[in-house]
Amino acid sequence: KNEVEQSPQNLTAQEGEFITINCSYSVGISALHWLQQHPGGGIVSLFMLSSGKKKHGRLIATINIQEKHSSLHITASHPRDSAVYICAVGSNFGNEKLTFGTGTRLTIIP
Amino acid sequence: DAGVTQSPTHLIKTRGQQVTLRCSPKSGHDTVSWYQQALGQGPQFIFQYYEEEERQRGNFPDRFSGHQFPNYSSELNVNALLLGDSALYLCASSNSGTRTEAFFGQGTRLTVV
Repeated sequence: KNEVEQSPQNLTAQEGEFITINCSYSVGISALHWLQQHPGGGIVSLFMLSSGKKKHGRLIATINIQEKHSSLHITASHPRDSAVYICAVGSNFGNEKLTFGTGTRLTIIP
Repeated sequence: DAGVTQSPTHLIKTRGQQVTLRCSPKSGHDTVSWYQQALGQGPQFIFQYYEEEERQRGNFPDRFSGHQFPNYSSELNVNALLLGDSALYLCASSNSGTRTEAFFGQGTRLTVV
């Protein structure tokens, strides 16, 4: 069993829909990261969180430390949100080796 | 601020050859981590460099080696290339002194033929 599991693996939705991507992990962590990867390969950090909830524009990330679970939500989805979303966990702030999930491929249809 | 820069962006090598990939961290960052991402998979940790020393290492053979220079830039070397080494190699930089998120480069896509 992988240390970081994401679901779903693939998600296709209509523009404007509310999107939820889930991440569960089995190890102790200091922080959980949500990352976005576009077809070119580069990875952009969306959030780093260790508790509670963070919001940036149409993106919201939540984490439940007790349940070892995090969700990434996208409100009013847009075709430009189409990308692979990856959850990663780290065990040592600032010095951390990250363990990644396999990603969720999101496609938003106009 | 140029962020994390990697070179080259694409590379084709023959099985058995050696390759060197380069990474310049984001300004102010002193820690560099390297990851290998096979097609359709999440990135896998190779190793991390801090103060010119390898601080952590993932489950990769000794054919994978690295170096960090005084200006914090880093190199990843892979010897005796195998077809299975074909992947996207990502570099991430962070600051060891603060709670910072990692910043990633665009990656180097290595194809071994």
